[in-house]
Amino acid sequence: DAGVTQSPTHLIKTRGQQVTLRCSPKSGHDTVSWYQQALGQGPQFIFQYYEEEERQRGNFPDRFSGHQFPNYSSELNVNALLLGDSALYLCASSPPVGRGDTQYFGPGTRLTVL
Amino acid sequence: AQKITQTQPGMFVQEKEAVTLDCTYDTSDQSYGLFWYKQPSSGEMIFLIYQGSYDEQNATEGRYSLNFQKARKSANLVISASQLGDSAMYFCAMREGPSGAGSYQLTFGKGTKLSVIP
Repeated sequence: DAGVTQSPTHLIKTRGQQVTLRCSPKSGHDTVSWYQQALGQGPQFIFQYYEEEERQRGNFPDRFSGHQFPNYSSELNVNALLLGDSALYLCASSPPVGRGDTQYFGPGTRLTVL
Repeated sequence: AQKITQTQPGMFVQEKEAVTLDCTYDTSDQSYGLFWYKQPSSGEMIFLIYQGSYDEQNATEGRYSLNFQKARKSANLVISASQLGDSAMYFCAMREGPSGAGSYQLTFGKGTKLSVIP
């Protein structure tokens, strides 16, 4: 039973560039959430996707956008990268309603912005 | 105000001893969920244990138990018989509102770094 997978593992970009991160949820899960974890901090919620729609959004600018595909996988896009976007980006999936709402996390993508 | 407070930046415990990691939370919702995650140096967040606000019994999962004191708004994690592999960051998190109908986001504390000494 494959867990949540994310790609790439590491990424280095320069200021102003755009980046796309990818996530495949755990088998049987239909909801994907994205979190940003700065060094030494707890994860911060970016947004959650369900049925290919953004269901809830945290306090992040519009430079952060996402997408969910029919197979439930998801992408996180960040435009006009800033140095402060350097962080570990975590994807989490959760099962359909009624089967609990525990979010299971992937290994993360470590983004460095130079 | 912080929604999740973890007051211990770092903790040390002797191998095979028990350790308690503190977590207090702040919410006005009657229905909510509390979670603990472990994050090794590799970065992956590993789910450990869940406690619903209406659960009457404290949650237990193997060597992990959650000491839930609703009136004090605390949800401390107890790890029994510590092992070297337990060395990691530990995060307490909260989902506000009822499962599947309230807020979908998890709000995390700043974490506690646990070091297990041989």
